[in-house]
Amino acid sequence: EVQLVESGGGLIQSGGSLRLSCAASGFTVRGNYMSWVRQAPGMRLEWVSIIYNDGTTYYADSVKGRFTISRDNSKNTLYLQMNRLRAEDTAVYYCATLLPGGFYYFDHWGQGTLVTVSS
Amino acid sequence: QSALTQPASVSGSPGQSITISCTGTSSYLGDYNYVSWYQQHPGKAPKLIIYGVSNRPSGVSNRFSGSKSGNTASLSISGLQAEDEAHYYCSSYTTSSPPVVFGGGTKLTVL
Repeated sequence: EVQLVESGGGLIQSGGSLRLSCAASGFTVRGNYMSWVRQAPGMRLEWVSIIYNDGTTYYADSVKGRFTISRDNSKNTLYLQMNRLRAEDTAVYYCATLLPGGFYYFDHWGQGTLVTVSS
Repeated sequence: QSALTQPASVSGSPGQSITISCTGTSSYLGDYNYVSWYQQHPGKAPKLIIYGVSNRPSGVSNRFSGSKSGNTASLSISGLQAEDEAHYYCSSYTTSSPPVVFGGGTKLTVL
């Protein structure tokens, strides 16, 4: 059974850094496309970043240059390093797997971790 | 940005059918058949219920169906049940940036 468990969220001051983790089980992170998707309180979902199985990464313009997606194959864990955080980064952050094909269908999701950036 | 527009709310009685629309532009949704729909209960993670316009992942009830015409995609739910009460989000892949966008969400109330 596929499971994704996020951790690392919390309250942080504007300009600070956080690293989110997403521990995976039931599959290997290195063999799958994986993404981070966030949802600000009461708002729509917003794609943040993706890492392909070959290691290629892409980012939303709103986080480019500040966030870094990575994975540790030995720990079967996905990460999101978030630097220079802003109030508008406040959201629940979900990690998710994608169906094969690269069309951004997010088929498994974690429970989410809340990041609150205080100004 | 509001690339995909959904009604804020819809409602229906148990047993009835409802349809939720998702209207985009030719850049998002119109030129592609890469539409997906997600169900999200309060405080829970989204759940993929439709992908590729009309495909259901394994385990999703056949009461959920999807379609698309031009720049508008639709999610239909037949035989409404209390457990269907949730927010529903459409999404579309595109070769533009960002590569995927979501609609604003529709709150379904089962009366």
